[in-house]
Amino acid sequence: QKEVEQNSGPLSVPEGAIASLNCTYSDRVSQSFFWYRQYSGKSPELIMSIYSNGDKEDGRFTAQLNKASQYVSLLIRDSQPSDSATYLCAVNGGSGAGSYQLTFGKGTKLSVIP
Amino acid sequence: NAGVTQTPKFQVLKTGQSMTLQCAQDMNHNSMYWYRQDPGMGLRLIYYSASEGTTDKGEVPNGYNVSRLNKREFSLRLESAAPSQTSVYFCASSETVTNEKLFFGSGTQLSVL
Repeated sequence: QKEVEQNSGPLSVPEGAIASLNCTYSDRVSQSFFWYRQYSGKSPELIMSIYSNGDKEDGRFTAQLNKASQYVSLLIRDSQPSDSATYLCAVNGGSGAGSYQLTFGKGTKLSVIP
Repeated sequence: NAGVTQTPKFQVLKTGQSMTLQCAQDMNHNSMYWYRQDPGMGLRLIYYSASEGTTDKGEVPNGYNVSRLNKREFSLRLESAAPSQTSVYFCASSETVTNEKLFFGSGTQLSVL
């Protein structure tokens, strides 16, 4: 059973600060990594994907992947109150049947304080 | 641009009652999914349909059945609802089963008393 672990939070940061969200995964041969954002009472939406080691930047968001440490993170620069949401880490690929199916972490709740 | 449409948005059932959750997508996606989301448990896959005419079990299929009616529609049926099925249910779709970008519907809040 693949596992994806996240701190549930809440993670509170002041407006304008960098928010750092972390995720670890159990299946060493996982290949694809994603961050979904879910506002309270809404459905998840994909905000970042990363497939190879290193950093990937998109606007204020940076995804970081370290496959050797089985670790993926999301940095949000210049955090805004509108970034307040739950962030879900998702992983797929790897070994076993249905390896292409996404396994989601339980999510980290981020609160950006004005 | 509707995307993924789920109905109903809210439902209250008594233990033992049955119901069907409906889902339709207008993006010409091949693959569709049903997830449930419980506090502290994250999103868990119930069933999925890689393509029209196929369905497969996910992580938590017990107590559910699905039907891929056509390429657009994928329904989830609870034959005899139990309180443990109280949850938020999300339908999602993707271009193919190996395309990881999921588009989610707005969700169904189901309470089983």
